[in-house]
Amino acid sequence: SQTIHQWPATLVQPVGSPLSLECTVEGTSNPNLYWYRQAAGRGLQLLFYSVGIGQISSEVPQNLSASRPQDRQFILSSKKLLLSDSGFYLCAWRRPFRGYEQYFGPGTRLTVT
Amino acid sequence: DQQVKQNSPSLSVQEGRISILNCDYTNSMFDYFLWYKKYPAEGPTFLISISSIKDKNEDGRFTVFLNKSAKHLSLHIVPSQPGDSAVYFCAARGSNQGGKLIFGQGTELSVKP
Repeated sequence: SQTIHQWPATLVQPVGSPLSLECTVEGTSNPNLYWYRQAAGRGLQLLFYSVGIGQISSEVPQNLSASRPQDRQFILSSKKLLLSDSGFYLCAWRRPFRGYEQYFGPGTRLTVT
Repeated sequence: DQQVKQNSPSLSVQEGRISILNCDYTNSMFDYFLWYKKYPAEGPTFLISISSIKDKNEDGRFTVFLNKSAKHLSLHIVPSQPGDSAVYFCAARGSNQGGKLIFGQGTELSVKP
């Protein structure tokens, strides 16, 4: 069976500090991978998606970036965090060419102070 | 521009009764729709989906109805149980958008014993 991991679960970072969130998927190969953010009281906003190693598409201009160094690893980064980067970050995966259901990880709660 | 809208931020239902969650969309190119359930501090869990070639899909206590002419879908939960209390998101996929999903803002369902 497939499993998706995210870490850390919670993170408190000062403004201007760097960020690195990691997501890994087990039990599948060549998944489509997605990063979402849920701000307080809001819906899920797609930030980045990737259909393969090194292939990143950005949906929203911001000070975040994403990378996919390995097939089942997806990393969300920032060089300098802003207060507005606070939120609940979710990674998701999907089997390409087999339906449109995405399966989400447990999420990371990021608080920028 | 909110292409997927859940106009009711919250809904309260008595245990055993029917819960009806609604979702409206504006893009006629959407061809696949999904419902997710989310508990606090967890990632969303896929519930049920429907293709635009159908008008109904059922899975146990959950039924999704699609009215394409009205650009409206709904999720029915019968009978409602206290464990159904969560935030429910609808999502849609555009026919020219690969695997990307657009999510609504969510409706918080509270099922009271």
